[in-house]
Amino acid sequence: QKEVEQNSGPLSVPEGAIASLNCTYSDRGSQSFFWYRQYSGKSPELIMFIYSNGDKEDGRFTAQLNKASQYVSLLIRDSQPSDSATYLCAAPEGGKLIFGQGTELSVKP
Amino acid sequence: DAGVIQSPRHEVTEMGQEVTLRCKPISGHDYLFWYRQTMMRGLELLIYFNNNVPIDDSGMPEDRFSAKMPNASFSTLKIQPSEPRDSAVYFCASSFSRDEQYFGPGTRLTVT
Repeated sequence: QKEVEQNSGPLSVPEGAIASLNCTYSDRGSQSFFWYRQYSGKSPELIMFIYSNGDKEDGRFTAQLNKASQYVSLLIRDSQPSDSATYLCAAPEGGKLIFGQGTELSVKP
Repeated sequence: DAGVIQSPRHEVTEMGQEVTLRCKPISGHDYLFWYRQTMMRGLELLIYFNNNVPIDDSGMPEDRFSAKMPNASFSTLKIQPSEPRDSAVYFCASSFSRDEQYFGPGTRLTVT
């Protein structure tokens, strides 16, 4: 089974800064990745997915995939306190998703 | 769309009792997933269905756990007998494709 690794954090950034969340994976054949955000006491919410090498931008969020390095990241520009949450990276395997342990992000006002 | 619906939202029960968790997936979705989340183990996939058929139940911890999907709009996860170590948040998720999963609000289970 493929593995998805994330630094559990917590990652603390000041308001307005860029938050960088990283994820590495074991399977070179992985073609797509998903980023979920989970607020404390809530369920995971899909915020981004990326299928190809390079960058994908959606508002303040940018997902970056580097297949050669088996590395995927999520950048959050102009971080807000409302971005404080746990961010989960996931890769598909067969019909299911393999989730990382999640990185806790704290944005300080 | 109402999203994935789970019930109950909270369940407190005593060790040895039977617990049944319920899930209604998003209409039109053909995949349904049951997860368990704890601080120690993170988010674990227990079982998933495609078109009401169980595909992979390798994550089901033991025979005390069972899941059914009698039709496209309903699934249950049953624990019998329950144990304190089953205390966790149980999520149901559904998807149309195999990848983009949408989660329900979860059921917080406490077994005393």
